[in-house]
Amino acid sequence: EAQVTQNPRYLITVTGKKLTVTCSQNMNHEYMSWYRQDPGLGLRQIYYSMNVEVTDKGDVPEGYKVSRKEKRNFPLILESPSPNQTSLYFCASSGDRDRARNSPLHFGNGTRLTVT
Amino acid sequence: AQSVSQHNHHVILSEAASLELGCNYSYGGTVNLFWYVQYPGQHLQLLLKYFSGDPLVKGIKGFEAEFIKSKFSFNLRKPSVQWSDTAEYFCAVNDNFNNDMRFGAGTRLTVKP
Repeated sequence: EAQVTQNPRYLITVTGKKLTVTCSQNMNHEYMSWYRQDPGLGLRQIYYSMNVEVTDKGDVPEGYKVSRKEKRNFPLILESPSPNQTSLYFCASSGDRDRARNSPLHFGNGTRLTVT
Repeated sequence: AQSVSQHNHHVILSEAASLELGCNYSYGGTVNLFWYVQYPGQHLQLLLKYFSGDPLVKGIKGFEAEFIKSKFSFNLRKPSVQWSDTAEYFCAVNDNFNNDMRFGAGTRLTVKP
């Protein structure tokens, strides 16, 4: 089954404790992206990747890191989480690189992160 | 950079009522337009998309949207809503020059049985 898999689904952590949210897709998609969803703000892009070893900042990259060492995986890293990073996070992928601009996004099930 | 505006924050309808959710975007060039739906506790799923051609686009579950270029709008419609349409709806836009898909803030639809 074609899917985007995020783990964990729920995570509660404390300020400053490094964490990683994993994302994996099995559709051979070149484009992958991370969003955070906050009430009243919709989805805001954190980082995206056009291909292996190619990543770019989205609208709200501060406090986050990503890596794209393999095509299927795109982990989101919070080196020193803070309470304002409490949010619902979605990983997404789409098409191949040339069609990424008009290919719909396939979303993971989300990770609800709470930073105390 | 483009922005996306969804004017209705929360819409409450009774079953069988007609639905129209507004979406306007700011980018003046060639755009690709999407509507996504997020059912309670689930991830976003594609409802419909517009790339080119007929500006009236039909999607899943009886939804449709009309692209009006002169108004920079892509409103979502459904003639008769059902209780199962209760969800949050997001309009999204990207252009042909970059890859940041911009989302609106979302419209929460509640359909009363």
